[in-house]
Amino acid sequence: GDSVTQMEGPVTLSEEAFLTINCTYTATGYPSLFWYVQYPGEGLQLLLKATKADDKGSNKGFEATYRKETTSFHLEKGSVQVSDSAVYFCALSDPMDSNYQLIWGAGTKLIIKP
Amino acid sequence: EAGVAQSPRYKIIEKRQSVAFWCNPISGHATLYWYQQILGQGPKLLIQFQNNGVVDDSQLPKDRFSAERLKGVDSTLKIQPAKLEDSAVYLCASSLGVSGLSTDTQYFGPGTRLTVL
Repeated sequence: GDSVTQMEGPVTLSEEAFLTINCTYTATGYPSLFWYVQYPGEGLQLLLKATKADDKGSNKGFEATYRKETTSFHLEKGSVQVSDSAVYFCALSDPMDSNYQLIWGAGTKLIIKP
Repeated sequence: EAGVAQSPRYKIIEKRQSVAFWCNPISGHATLYWYQQILGQGPKLLIQFQNNGVVDDSQLPKDRFSAERLKGVDSTLKIQPAKLEDSAVYLCASSLGVSGLSTDTQYFGPGTRLTVL
């Protein structure tokens, strides 16, 4: 079945450091890919998404490129801030799934130190 | 545009008691989801509605959990009786539910944090 694998956390960085959170997937069809973020005590928010190969999703300084050849959707940010501390979830939606449900990664906790 | 609303935000109950959670999706969204999120894990889908019909409830523990979506808008999730392992955050999400569209985005409410003692 479909699956999403994320790098294990926590990831601890200093402010202004470069961030990469790895995400790879397996899917039957040609999925749409999502990054959601969950700030402490809050629900999940869509951060960005990409729906076809080579698409780049971007928001709030974060970027991720849909790489079909490596089945990856790594999240990057050039200069992180303390306010970026949160849990980040990679997810996919497979058009071969008639219910279009999201398949979730386990989440990666990001801690940014001032 | 108003987001997904959930209430209560927090609930503490004793085991074997019952509890209910309420969700109001974004206006016009046909699909509604209930998820259970245990601390340190990703969300687990409990039930998915399309309008007022159930699309998938395969992971809903039906001996104790029930959910309904009257008139295809608001939804209620109930647990009766609660067990210690039900302690989690219960998230409601909604999406437009456009048929045949895997790009459909799910929008989440703030969640209800349930503690069962």
